Amino acid sequence: EAQVTQNPRYLITVTGKKLTVTCSQNMNHEYMSWYRQDPGLGLRQIYYSMNVEVTDKGDVPEGYKVSRKEKRNFPLILESPSPNQTSLYFCASSNIWRTGLSSYNEQFFGPGTRLTVL
Amino acid sequence: AQKITQTQPGMFVQEKEAVTLDCTYDTSDPSYGLFWYKQPSSGEMIFLIYQGSYDQQNATEGRYSLNFQKARKSANLVISASQLGDSAMYFCAMREKGSSNTGKLIFGQGTTLQVKP
Repeated sequence: EAQVTQNPRYLITVTGKKLTVTCSQNMNHEYMSWYRQDPGLGLRQIYYSMNVEVTDKGDVPEGYKVSRKEKRNFPLILESPSPNQTSLYFCASSNIWRTGLSSYNEQFFGPGTRLTVL
Repeated sequence: AQKITQTQPGMFVQEKEAVTLDCTYDTSDPSYGLFWYKQPSSGEMIFLIYQGSYDQQNATEGRYSLNFQKARKSANLVISASQLGDSAMYFCAMREKGSSNTGKLIFGQGTTLQVKP
């Protein structure tokens, strides 16, 4: 089954304690990204990756790190979490954009990780 | 500037009736796609429907249709014959090809739909 998996699904932690949220996809997608969702703001992109070893900042990258050592995995790292990083996080993957090929451009989302930083 | 605007924070609809969720967008890229996602209270993002900027016909998927008005930069979602299970948050999103082809997805703020029995 084609899917994006994230772990953990729920996490409560304390300020300053490093954590990693894992993301894996089995569709051989080149493009992966992380979003955070906050009330009234929709989803905002944190970081993205076009392929292995190619990553770049999204709209809200402060306080986060990522790596893409393998095509299927794209972990999100919070080196020193703070309460303002309490949010719902989504990992997503897709093919690189192709004009005119509708179904090709869909982004597949993981189930989400609810993070609370105390 | 807001690229995706959903002006209805919350809506009610009677079961079995049709409902339209509004979405306007702003882009100068000729190659883009518009998506609608459903997010139930459990939190996952469920893909509903997609419309490409070059698609000549409005997209349809079962009870979902997308009313695409390119000149007005509007991509409204129409849900026919609403069901109680349609109660959820709905997000409109746009993916532009862009100069670097990142394919980033830009989201609106969402509309909460409640279906009344």
